[in-house]
Amino acid sequence: DTEVTQTPKHLVMGMTNKKSLKCEQHMGHRAMYWYKQKAKKPPELMFVYSYEKLSINESVPSRFSPECPNSSLLNLHLHALQPEDSALYLCASSQKHFGGQPQHFGDGTRLSIL
Amino acid sequence: KQEVTQIPAALSVPEGENLVLNCSFTDSAIYNLQWFRQDPGKGLTSLLLIQSSQREQTSGRLNASLDKSSGRSTLYIAASQPGDSATYLCAVLNDDYGQNFVFGPGTRLSVLP
Repeated sequence: DTEVTQTPKHLVMGMTNKKSLKCEQHMGHRAMYWYKQKAKKPPELMFVYSYEKLSINESVPSRFSPECPNSSLLNLHLHALQPEDSALYLCASSQKHFGGQPQHFGDGTRLSIL
Repeated sequence: KQEVTQIPAALSVPEGENLVLNCSFTDSAIYNLQWFRQDPGKGLTSLLLIQSSQREQTSGRLNASLDKSSGRSTLYIAASQPGDSATYLCAVLNDDYGQNFVFGPGTRLSVLP
């Protein structure tokens, strides 16, 4: 069982919908990450939060809006997505953003855009 | 720009064989290297993390080595089992602040009973 929990596991939405992905960890980690993974490709970093502050935004389109309401929760708000945004969205956490700490991943949310 | 490659792209072996997965990176100035396992439709499970000052790490039947100067890491799996079937990814961290965490494309491993 993973210690990083992501909900929902699957999401199908239209291009005009607004939805949110949720990630939760209770390991006391202070760094949390969003990755996007297309089929048969490695994960690509989207956002990094360190101590609840956005630390890195890898030039992600504004239709993806991250939020870190507290040290245990990370959300990804979705609006007006495109079909090419269909992918597996992975959340990860680590003790700290710096110091090369190992990252722990959730099982992901599989997103399909109609 | 750091580039990470993995050879082979896919591997099929009979149960019980020892095997080696390879990871290469172009910029040797890495902070650490991490090996992950990914089962179909699942997230990533961290297997081993090697800091740049280390040469190898071991966990059970897994041994990972790092040769930073040549830009290479290997993951050795002893006495492979069908449960080892998964995609194995390596990822390198280029700096202390995680601003460049780059994954390789992965090796898809099938261990046949």
